[in-house]
Amino acid sequence: GAVVSQHPSWVICKSGTSVKIECRSLDFQATTMFWYRQFPKQSLMLMATSNEGSKATYEQGVEKDKFLINHASLTLSTLTVTSAHPEDSSFYICSARDQGSPLHFGNGTRLTVT
Amino acid sequence: DAKTTQPNSMESNEEEPVHLPCNHSTISGTDYIHWYRQLPSQGPEYVIHGLTSNVNNRMASLAIAEDRKSSTLILHRATLRDAAVYYCISAQGGSEKLVFGKGTKLTVNP
Repeated sequence: GAVVSQHPSWVICKSGTSVKIECRSLDFQATTMFWYRQFPKQSLMLMATSNEGSKATYEQGVEKDKFLINHASLTLSTLTVTSAHPEDSSFYICSARDQGSPLHFGNGTRLTVT
Repeated sequence: DAKTTQPNSMESNEEEPVHLPCNHSTISGTDYIHWYRQLPSQGPEYVIHGLTSNVNNRMASLAIAEDRKSSTLILHRATLRDAAVYYCISAQGGSEKLVFGKGTKLTVNP
């Protein structure tokens, strides 16, 4: 079945640095991928829609200059958290769908900013 | 997308059936009902989805009310591995953009 892979699964970075998270569709092509963020004991919050070959669409309240999304190929979307701060510490999850299949999610990336 | 309402938590005993309810009173005629579950520290996992008719797969069954204002996810024999947060989402058919509510945290007792 369709698999979505995220890398890294966890990352610790210092405040002020940038962190890049990758989301890959392993056995299918995805023109659209989605990025979510989840704080402890809360539900997933949709951050943005990543569109292959064009700009991402951000949800209201999500800073596009802080959360840079690049969808350069049909199998890879990246989310870069720029100038990360402790409040950006969260569980970041991506999703994508193969045609005719349910939406598949990656296993998430736990970001800790110290 | 229509909003859904689920109980915050439910408990079940191992090997017993579990019925997880979901209300979606404002659902539109073209919205599907999707169920996903999330185990701790993992991404959500697809469980089942349906439009009007009841649906069965290897994981669960989905019973949809005739007026489509509510549905029930049925786990026929709960196992400890079924302990997770279960999300009921209504979204247009073919929609990839799913908006998650708070879900129901299912605890399975041995």
